[in-house]
Order: sequence, then C-alpha cells, then structure tokens
Amino acid sequence: GNSVTQMEGPVTLSEEAFLTINCTYTATGYPSLFWYVQYPGEGLQLLLKATKADDKGSNKGFEATYRKETTSFHLEKGSVQVSDSAVYFCALIANYGGSQGNLIFGKGTKLSVKP
Amino acid sequence: DAGVIQSPRHEVTEMGQEVTLRCKPISGHDYLFWYRQTMMRGLELLIYFNNNVPIDDSGMPEDRFSAKMPNASFSTLKIQPSEPRDSAVYFCASSLGSQSVMYFGPGTRLTVT
Repeated sequence: GNSVTQMEGPVTLSEEAFLTINCTYTATGYPSLFWYVQYPGEGLQLLLKATKADDKGSNKGFEATYRKETTSFHLEKGSVQVSDSAVYFCALIANYGGSQGNLIFGKGTKLSVKP
Repeated sequence: DAGVIQSPRHEVTEMGQEVTLRCKPISGHDYLFWYRQTMMRGLELLIYFNNNVPIDDSGMPEDRFSAKMPNASFSTLKIQPSEPRDSAVYFCASSLGSQSVMYFGPGTRLTVT
C-alpha cells in the first residue's frame, strides 16, 4: 500500500542551525509529494510541493527535492528561526489506486527552535 | 476568500451527548475532507466527499459517527452518543480537484468529559 515515513521527533535546534527532516514514501505509480506545516493552535497549511521526479519545491527558505531513486522527499532549511517552530507533515497523493483523492500523511515531526 | 470555516472552535460536552461539528469549504472547491488529530494516532482521514457525495467513509470509527454534505457550501460531522475517547481536534479541509492542494480549516477542539 501507499505510505509515508518521516523521522521521529521532537527535533530541537538553536536559531540559525541547519534543518533536515527525513521523509521516505512507498507508492504505486508516480505520486505528488507535499510538506505541510502546523503552527501551534492552527490547522495545517501547505509549505511546498513537488509533482514529478527531480522537482524541487521551495518556500520560506525551506526546500525539498523529489528523489524517485531513493523514494525520498527530505525537508531542509539552511538557517532556522524561532518562528519555524511547528509540526511538519510529509504527505503524498498517489496517482493510482484507492488513495486518489486524499492525502496520506506521515505522523509529523515537531520542531522546536531555541533563541 | 475567507478560507475553510469551522464551527465551533471549541466544544466541551458530557459523555452521551450529541455533538455536531460544522464546516464551510472554500467556494468552488469540489472535494471536502474530515480529519481527526490526536496525539496517539496523529492525523486520520475520517471521510471525504466529491461534489457533495461521500466517496470513502472507511475511516469513520463506528456507527456513532456520521457526516453529511447537503450542499456544496456546508458539511456536518455528528457524533451521537459522544464518548471521552472521541476527544480530539477535528479538521475540515477542501480542495479543487483530487490532485490539488488541500486547504485546512482551523479545527474544532472537542473535549468529552
């Protein structure tokens, strides 16, 4: 079946540190891949996406590259800020099979950035 | 657009009571989703609609849960009777098309005592 696996949290970093949150997926066909972010007390919002192999999604200094050969979509940011503290969800929409029409989410990784 | 609107934002009720959560999707969106979020299980898809028709309700926990979408601008999720283990944050989301970005509402935090 289709699934998303992301690194366990919580992740605690100092301001200006480099961030990597790993995400790997299993899917039939060619899924679209997403990172969503949930700030405290809010709903999820799209951070970035990539729809085909080798695409790079980017937004607010965050980047992720769709790697078909390693089935990965790792999230990176060169210098995190306190305001980046949130829970980050990796997700996919499969193009084939019963998963079409909804996102499959990873379990989320909580990031805390200390000043 | 105001985004996805959910009400109430917080609900506290006693075990056995009926609870109704409401959602107004973004105008023009043809997909609507209900999710539940808990610390233990993370985000779970409960049900989703396409053009007001329920497509997949396999995530609905049990018969106590029901969802309706009487028109394109309104959906409800009802729990009757409610139980303490239903305590969670319930999110509604909508999208235009099955492959496009999903927009989430702010959620309803339900506490059943």
